[in-house]
Amino acid sequence: EVPLLESGGDLVHPGGSLRLSCVASGFNFGTSDMTWVRQAPGSGLEWVSAISGRGDYIYYADSVKGRFTISRDNSQNTLFLQMNNLRAEDTALYYCARAIPVAGTGSHYFDDWGQGTLVTVSS
Amino acid sequence: QSVLTQPPSVSGAPGQRVTISCAGSSSNIGAPYPVHWYQHLPGTAPRLLIYHDNKRPSGVPDRFSGSKSGTSASLAITGLQTADEADYYCQSFDNILYVWVFGGGTRLTVL
Repeated sequence: EVPLLESGGDLVHPGGSLRLSCVASGFNFGTSDMTWVRQAPGSGLEWVSAISGRGDYIYYADSVKGRFTISRDNSQNTLFLQMNNLRAEDTALYYCARAIPVAGTGSHYFDDWGQGTLVTVSS
Repeated sequence: QSVLTQPPSVSGAPGQRVTISCAGSSSNIGAPYPVHWYQHLPGTAPRLLIYHDNKRPSGVPDRFSGSKSGTSASLAITGLQTADEADYYCQSFDNILYVWVFGGGTRLTVL
C-alpha cells in the first residue's frame, strides 16, 4: 500500500495556476507534519513548503513565497499545494512527504514519500 | 548552489566501501541540527536511509551507516551492490535561512 499519492500535475502556461493534492493512508494524518519537495529536471531535491499537523505552522522556501500556498484537510487525509503565477523554473516533479520531528532539535526528517506528480510550465 | 555541499559523484567496485561527504556550516549541521540521508532513483519516491545522524529505519541494511563531526557528515556504504546505484542526498535544517535544506546530491556508480 502506497501511503502517499500525489495528483494534479499538468502542463501550464507561465503565469498560470495549479493545485496539487496528496492523499495519505496508513498513518494518523491529522497529527503528522507534512511537506512538499520538488526536483527540477537535471537538478537535485529542493524543499518547497511544510505544514504542521493542525495547520497552525506553515513555512515556505523563498523561491515560492507569495506564490504558493500549502494547506490540508485532515477530515479527508489530504495535503494541498496551490501554485499561482507559475514560472518556467517551477517545472519539476513534486513530492509530498511525511515530516517527522526530531525531538529536542526543532528539525524534521522525511520518512514516507509519494511517487510525485509532474508540473511543467511552458508556453 | 546548495547550502549543503556534496561531491557530484562517487564510484566503487562491488563489495567495496564508499563514503559520501556532506559539508555544512555553523547554521545547519554545526548548529547542531541533525543530518538525514536519502537514496533516490530519479522518478521514484526517495527512500529514507539514515535519520538523526546515524539511525537506520527498519528495513535499511546495516551496510549503510551515518556519522557527523562538527559542520560535516558522512554516509558510508559497505559491501557495494549494483542495486546501490542511485543518487544520495543529505538533509538538515538551517537556522539562518529557517528552511529545511538538501545537499546537491551525489550519484553513486557501482563499477
